[in-house]
Amino acid sequence: KNQVEQSPQSLIILEGKNCTLQCNYTVSPFSNLRWYKQDTGRGPVSLTIMTFSENTKSNGRYTATLDADTKQSSLHITASQLSDSASYICVVSVGDNNDMRFGAGTRLTVKP
Amino acid sequence: GAVVSQHPSRVICKSGTSVKIECRSLDFQATTMFWYRQFPKQSLMLMATSNEGSKATYEQGVEKDKFLINHASLTLSTLTVTSAHPEDSSFYICSATSLEGPRDTQYFGPGTRLTVL
Repeated sequence: KNQVEQSPQSLIILEGKNCTLQCNYTVSPFSNLRWYKQDTGRGPVSLTIMTFSENTKSNGRYTATLDADTKQSSLHITASQLSDSASYICVVSVGDNNDMRFGAGTRLTVKP
Repeated sequence: GAVVSQHPSRVICKSGTSVKIECRSLDFQATTMFWYRQFPKQSLMLMATSNEGSKATYEQGVEKDKFLINHASLTLSTLTVTSAHPEDSSFYICSATSLEGPRDTQYFGPGTRLTVL
């Protein structure tokens, strides 16, 4: 069982709509949580990073939340654009040695 | 800043040949470089971690004799897929951590698509 679970696996929305992606994790000890955007055939690009004490972090139309008690995170995308079509990967770092655990990603498709 | 490049971006080779992929940190010195493999619709799987001047640490199940990693300088790491077979076809991504930046921040390269015929 993956220690970082993302849902939904895929999502299709219309341009201009909002959406929320979920990430649940079981790794311990928690160091930080990142959301990455990965365009098809490209490397991941960091969107947000949150440590234990941070509940929310925004980057433009992307807002990530973190509940360290329930070990859940979400990525909210506002007013989606066609260019938001990509895979969104949740990555949790464990301990002090930079051990990263990757979620399987959510494939988002934004349609006109 | 913190740009990581990979070369080539895509390569097609015949079964049995070897392929070398380069990963460079363009504007920073990388203490550690990581190599990942990503199959279609799956997440990144860490293959190995390499530090400049020392042997790479391979993840369980990754053959070190098949995936040769050389980290000769603080800005360059290479992954050589030896005697490639069709099942090695995948998307290979490297990442690097900066000598001066946070240890837990990885900067990813754009990836290399390997197709073995």
